[in-house]
Amino acid sequence: QKEVEQDPGPLSVPEGAIVSLNCTYSNSAFQYFMWYRQYSRKGPELLMYTYSSGNKEDGRFTAQVDKSSKYISLFIRDSQPSDSATYLCAMSPYGSSNTGKLIFGQGTTLQVKP
Amino acid sequence: SAVISQKPSRDICQRGTSLTIQCQVDSQVTMMFWYRQQPGQSLTLIATANQGSEATYESGFVIDKFPISRPNLTFSTLTVSNMSPEDSSIYLCSVEWDRPQETQYFGPGTRLLVL
Repeated sequence: QKEVEQDPGPLSVPEGAIVSLNCTYSNSAFQYFMWYRQYSRKGPELLMYTYSSGNKEDGRFTAQVDKSSKYISLFIRDSQPSDSATYLCAMSPYGSSNTGKLIFGQGTTLQVKP
Repeated sequence: SAVISQKPSRDICQRGTSLTIQCQVDSQVTMMFWYRQQPGQSLTLIATANQGSEATYESGFVIDKFPISRPNLTFSTLTVSNMSPEDSSIYLCSVEWDRPQETQYFGPGTRLLVL
């Protein structure tokens, strides 16, 4: 079983739709949760960062962490064609001794159609 | 955030040869990392590049195959040695940034095709 599971999609939605992207994980030591966006032929770009449980909102993007269920989500409101990309969840255990050990999901490919 | 560049951006190589990938950062950073992203797969950490000491390799990756240099706080190289078609992948360097804590920023990647 992978430490982080993410449905690779592809996910296709019409412009303006609300998009929900999700990851599940098995390691209860994970404390830091990130979402990266990766456009075709580009490196991953940090989109959202959350520490421990709760919600975080940034413009059209909302990240949610439910540690009791080991489940994280990224919501995109009023989706735009420019949101078409691969979205990767990433996680890290607590503590500086684990610096660098980001564990990534497989990535979900999203296409927003005009 | 840091600005990270990689060279080359892409290359096509023959099996049995080696390729050295360069990673340059516009600020001094303590932690630099090398990842591999195979088609349809998640990013996998190859090693942590430590300035002034040997790199720390993850399980499944060895120094003879992926030698790494880190001569200063803004530069690192990864060499893919004795390449085979299975090494065809995207190779990414990243740096750890202290705001927010425990996050990483990535370079644009090097796309390698081994024939």
